[in-house]
Amino acid sequence: SYVLTQPPSVSVAPGQTARITCGRNNIESKVVHWYQQKPGQAPLLVVYDDDDRPSGIPQRFSGSNSGNTAALTISRVEAGDEADYFCQVWDSSSDHPGEFGGGTKLTVL
Amino acid sequence: QVQLQESGPGLVKPSQTLSLTCTVSGGSISSGGFHWSWLRQLPGKGLEWIGYFHSRGTPYYNASLKSRVTISVDTSENQFSLKLNSVTAADTAVYYCARVVDGYKFFDYWGQGTLVTVSS
Repeated sequence: SYVLTQPPSVSVAPGQTARITCGRNNIESKVVHWYQQKPGQAPLLVVYDDDDRPSGIPQRFSGSNSGNTAALTISRVEAGDEADYFCQVWDSSSDHPGEFGGGTKLTVL
Repeated sequence: QVQLQESGPGLVKPSQTLSLTCTVSGGSISSGGFHWSWLRQLPGKGLEWIGYFHSRGTPYYNASLKSRVTISVDTSENQFSLKLNSVTAADTAVYYCARVVDGYKFFDYWGQGTLVTVSS
């Protein structure tokens, strides 16, 4: 089981907005990072420190973190955004501090 | 551009030791502000952090694997390594090496991953 709770799947039509959530008690006290993983590929960092984007990641990708829920929002979804998305936090008080969510499969209809 | 590449056997027998090496290019493994990590992804599953080698020279491990894991660094070769002993079929996974950015600790560069199967 995963400490960070993600919905198994999210579906959205091209051009619409996808919101993928990551739940944990008081997650707003942690900093959340997001990764995109396409089949057969390594994860790719798309959002770090709640809402920053690495160089090369489109502005369509944004993050938020409040209360018990963090979210990755993808605006104007494209077919190429279809992938698994994982959230991650670092909990230094845990004996397994590098925590990941179970992942969400984004399907572009 | 930093690049990481895993190498090692793709098949390991039960009870033996899994050994992988990650070669870092495009940057020094001795650079401050970064640590060097191993993760794995079980078939059809999510990601599991195994451990990392802190830039100050100290390894940190996932408690669930700590008794079986060793991560070490070879600065002369710009490489770091993973050893996981007493493996079982449950250790069959894609193993990734990755760079950890200090502070809030996220993984900014990843190797392509290597599948390790534990089977006799």
